[in-house]
Amino acid sequence: AQTVTQSQPEMSVQEAETVTLSCTYDTSESNYYLFWYKQPPSRQMILVIRQEAYKQQNATENRFSVNFQKAAKSFSLKISDSQLGDTAMYFCAFMGGPYGYGKLTFGQGTILTVHP
Amino acid sequence: GAVVSQHPSWVICKSGTSVKIECRSLDFQATTMFWYRQFPKQSLMLMATSNEGSKATYEQGVEKDKFLINHASLTLSTLTVTSAHPEDSSFYICSARDRAGAEQYFGPGTRLTVT
Repeated sequence: AQTVTQSQPEMSVQEAETVTLSCTYDTSESNYYLFWYKQPPSRQMILVIRQEAYKQQNATENRFSVNFQKAAKSFSLKISDSQLGDTAMYFCAFMGGPYGYGKLTFGQGTILTVHP
Repeated sequence: GAVVSQHPSWVICKSGTSVKIECRSLDFQATTMFWYRQFPKQSLMLMATSNEGSKATYEQGVEKDKFLINHASLTLSTLTVTSAHPEDSSFYICSARDRAGAEQYFGPGTRLTVT
């Protein structure tokens, strides 16, 4: 069974600064997907970024980028130029391939607070 | 595109009664839907997976007779909490996957309070 570990229960950052959230996972599969989701106070789950394991290039979406280290089974999220609206709980998630029948395994989550 | 709705957004019910939560994919056909449970400041716990036209697959430890899931069409899945008790109070989230399969789309969640 896959496991996803987020070792930082809470993080804080000043507005406009950069913060990195950590995630490690364990799997015996070679083809899979990794995701970062954001859950703001409204509790609506929002997809931040997706990485396909067979792609060596790290995914980026505007201010959000990942550092995907497949051998180390590490998948960290970097948020640049942090904004107040980035305050949320962030979840790292794993989906086995091919498409893993769609089942997501979530990490414990990291509560990120952006201070003005 | 890819919008998932849930109804109701918040429900309060008395202990011993049943409550039904609906999950709809509004602009795509959801071949698979997932139901999660989430306690405050905790992660999402997968309860069950439902495929259109077939019985739901429950995760270990989830009581299938208590949490009835029906996926009657490609756009609708329902979760019925039967004989609800205060410990069933939680935030329930559904998600849907289309035929392409590589992404789940989440509903806004339903807060259930059992008194």
